[in-house]
Amino acid sequence: TQLLEQSPQFLSIQEGENLTVYCNSSSVFSSLQWYRQEPGEGPVLLVTVVTGGEVKKLKRLTFQFGDARKDSSLHITAAQTGDTGLYLCAGRFSGSARQLTFGSGTQLTVLP
Amino acid sequence: DSGVTQTPKHLITATGQRVTLRCSPRSGDLSVYWYQQSLDQGLQFLIQYYNGEERAKGNILERFSAQQFPDLHSELNLSSLELGDSALYFCASSVGGQAGNNEQFFGPGTRLTVL
Repeated sequence: TQLLEQSPQFLSIQEGENLTVYCNSSSVFSSLQWYRQEPGEGPVLLVTVVTGGEVKKLKRLTFQFGDARKDSSLHITAAQTGDTGLYLCAGRFSGSARQLTFGSGTQLTVLP
Repeated sequence: DSGVTQTPKHLITATGQRVTLRCSPRSGDLSVYWYQQSLDQGLQFLIQYYNGEERAKGNILERFSAQQFPDLHSELNLSSLELGDSALYFCASSVGGQAGNNEQFFGPGTRLTVL
């Protein structure tokens, strides 16, 4: 079974602080996606990374794909209360083209 | 609003019963995916249909089945329900058939409670 491990599981910070969330696997990803989910709603795609070492920026969010394509990180700069939510990474493993495997998620709470 | 609709939003039923969850994909999307999200298991892929045909199967129990109709809406049937089946069930849709290459748009989910 191919697993994605996310850390930390829970994160509570003050508005204005920076944070990093990690997504790791022992297997190689063909591609990896990050989603954000708010209570009562489905996950919403933030970014897809495909190339090892790739870095993508979305306003205050920076996504990095590891060189070996086995890990990824999401860094948020100057967090805002609106960033509160469940952050999920989802990977498509090499040889498993047709399904996404989701991590267990990081529940982020940004306090005013 | 993702454009994916799911009904019902909430469902409460008893053990041993059978329920049907319904999903309408975004206009133009050919793929429908079903996921189960529970507190202890996270978001688990169940099954995918593409243009009416089963495309991929994940951790779907034999008590569960799904189908996609000619108008591309999909139904997930859950039978002989157990307490452990209580969860959020999400439907997602995408244009193409490759899960990792196409953005999936998730519906708002159906919360199933089995008593």
